[in-house]
Amino acid sequence: DSGVTQTPKHLITATGQRVTLRCSPRSGDLSVYWYQQSLDQGLQFLIQYYNGEERAKGNILERFSAQQFPDLHSELNLSSLELGDSALYFCASSETGYPYEQYFGPGTRLTVT
Amino acid sequence: EDQVTQSPEALRLQEGESSSLNCSYTVSGLRGLFWYRQDPGKGPEFLFTLYSAGEEKEKERLKATLTKKESFLHITAPKPEDSATYLCAVHPTGHNTDKLIFGTGTRLQVFP
Repeated sequence: DSGVTQTPKHLITATGQRVTLRCSPRSGDLSVYWYQQSLDQGLQFLIQYYNGEERAKGNILERFSAQQFPDLHSELNLSSLELGDSALYFCASSETGYPYEQYFGPGTRLTVT
Repeated sequence: EDQVTQSPEALRLQEGESSSLNCSYTVSGLRGLFWYRQDPGKGPEFLFTLYSAGEEKEKERLKATLTKKESFLHITAPKPEDSATYLCAVHPTGHNTDKLIFGTGTRLQVFP
């Protein structure tokens, strides 16, 4: 158990819908990272927040957004969902703003039908 | 463009048969290289961080090494429980690069 929690574990929704994925980092970790993992593309970095502020951005679509709240939990919002958004979404956390020794949560499996 | 390539894509070993996984990288500068283990349907589990060429880290049957262009994950006398996908990632230097770039992994299967 990494200490990072993610909810929900599974999510099935229809195209065009909007969903919110939630992540709670390990106690004491200030950074949260979001990743998408699909079979054909591997693990892709989406976005990082450090102590409430956006710090780094990867291949995140405009339909996706994220935020980190004062209690340091984070939410990833996915809207206007397409079939291709079906994937595993992982959250990771680290103590500092640098992506060293990231600890990953169990993931949310999103299926868009 | 920063890039990470892992080989082989898949590896089948007999229990006790030692081998190595390769991670080659192309970056303008390297802040750190990371190895993770991922079991099916689960989040990656952190294994090692390497910062400079010549550095080595060990954990049980695993040993990671780093050169200026690649890293190796050596598995000595593997057991079936070592079966997993092993991911390599780099943290490059440069603008807006506080992020890791992952390779696509090596899927290891160890048979009894």
